[in-house]
Amino acid sequence: SQTIHQWPATLVQPVGSPLSLECTVEGTSNPNLYWYRQAAGRGLQLLFYSVGIGQISSEVPQNLSASRPQDRQFILSSKKLLLSDSGFYLCAWSVGGLMNEQYFGPGTRLTVT
Amino acid sequence: GIQVEQSPPDLILQEGANSTLRCNFSDSVNNLQWFHQNPWGQLINLFYIPSGTKQNGRLSATTVATERYSLLYISSSQTTDSGVYFCAVGLDMRFGAGTRLTVKP
Repeated sequence: SQTIHQWPATLVQPVGSPLSLECTVEGTSNPNLYWYRQAAGRGLQLLFYSVGIGQISSEVPQNLSASRPQDRQFILSSKKLLLSDSGFYLCAWSVGGLMNEQYFGPGTRLTVT
Repeated sequence: GIQVEQSPPDLILQEGANSTLRCNFSDSVNNLQWFHQNPWGQLINLFYIPSGTKQNGRLSATTVATERYSLLYISSSQTTDSGVYFCAVGLDMRFGAGTRLTVKP
């Protein structure tokens, strides 16, 4: 069966520091991968998606970037964190078309101080 | 982009009661998902339902794509049903603001 991992589970970082969040999927090949952010008390917002290695599409201009160095690995990064980057970051995967059912990881709770 | 509205924003029930949650969307879509977010933040898939009706135990969902809405039914609610319920639609998975459900024992 397929599983999705995210780490770290929680992170507290000072303003201006770099960020790297990792997501890996097991049990499937060539998945579509997604990064979402959830601000406190709100719905999720799609940040990036990827249909293959090295292919990244951005939905929202921001202080973040994404990379996909391997088929089942998706990384969310920032060179310098802002206070507004605080939130709950979730990774998701799907197979086939981009509008197929998505499955979410456990998330990373980021607090920028 | 697509606008997604969920209602009601908050719902408080006694254990055993039934409820209906609604998701309205502003444009035609080829996908729609319902999720339950538990207190630990985990998003649990409930239904992938771009059209038609599905049932899974005490939960069922109906999407009327031509009228741009979906309904999630919860019967015989339990305290473990508490949490936030989201619907999401469209290529960019536009999420609604959610319905916060509290089930009291």
